[in-house]
Amino acid sequence: KQEVTQIPAALSVPEGENLVLNCSFTDSAIYNLQWFRQDPGKGLTSLLLIQSSQREQTSGRLNASLDKSSGRSTLYIAASQPGDSATYLCAAYGNKLVFGAGTILRVKS
Amino acid sequence: EAGVVQSPRYKIIEKKQPVAFWCNPISGHNTLYWYRQNLGQGPELLIRYENEEAVDDSQLPKDRFSAERLKGVDSTLKIQPAELGDSAVYLCASSFETGGRETQYFGPGTRLLVL
Repeated sequence: KQEVTQIPAALSVPEGENLVLNCSFTDSAIYNLQWFRQDPGKGLTSLLLIQSSQREQTSGRLNASLDKSSGRSTLYIAASQPGDSATYLCAAYGNKLVFGAGTILRVKS
Repeated sequence: EAGVVQSPRYKIIEKKQPVAFWCNPISGHNTLYWYRQNLGQGPELLIRYENEEAVDDSQLPKDRFSAERLKGVDSTLKIQPAELGDSAVYLCASSFETGGRETQYFGPGTRLLVL
């Protein structure tokens, strides 16, 4: 059974700081690894999807990496802004999406 | 393009009462998912439809939960009777291709409180 763990559970940083969110998964037999953002009272928004054959994906200030062999993914956010404050969830897709519990990010202005 | 639509957004009921949630996926999306998200946790899959067929309902508590997707478009998730532990956010998602290996688009969810 796939298990996804995210560290840290919560993070508070000053505006402008670069930061890294970590995700680990127990079963490396995945098709892709996805990062989502969730704002309070709202659904999930897909940020990045990394196929199993890829090592990383980039979108604007976001960069996600995937190391299947070690069961790890990281989400790098450059030059953080207060608007980045949200919960970030990673999810591994084997035969279904299995989510971590998320990292609650607060960027202080 | 309209996103995934869910209603109601909030629902408060007493235990043992029935409740139903409705979802309209993005037009043209064949695959529809229902997830449950408990407070402080990530979403967990309840059921996945490919067109009108439920292809994965292994996590659906079938004694009290039921779902349907008539005509392969809209879907309804029902709980009868509701229990205190059913309080959660119920999320609907859809994707274009079957197999679920591509991006899923999520609705805003229905927040259920069972008293």
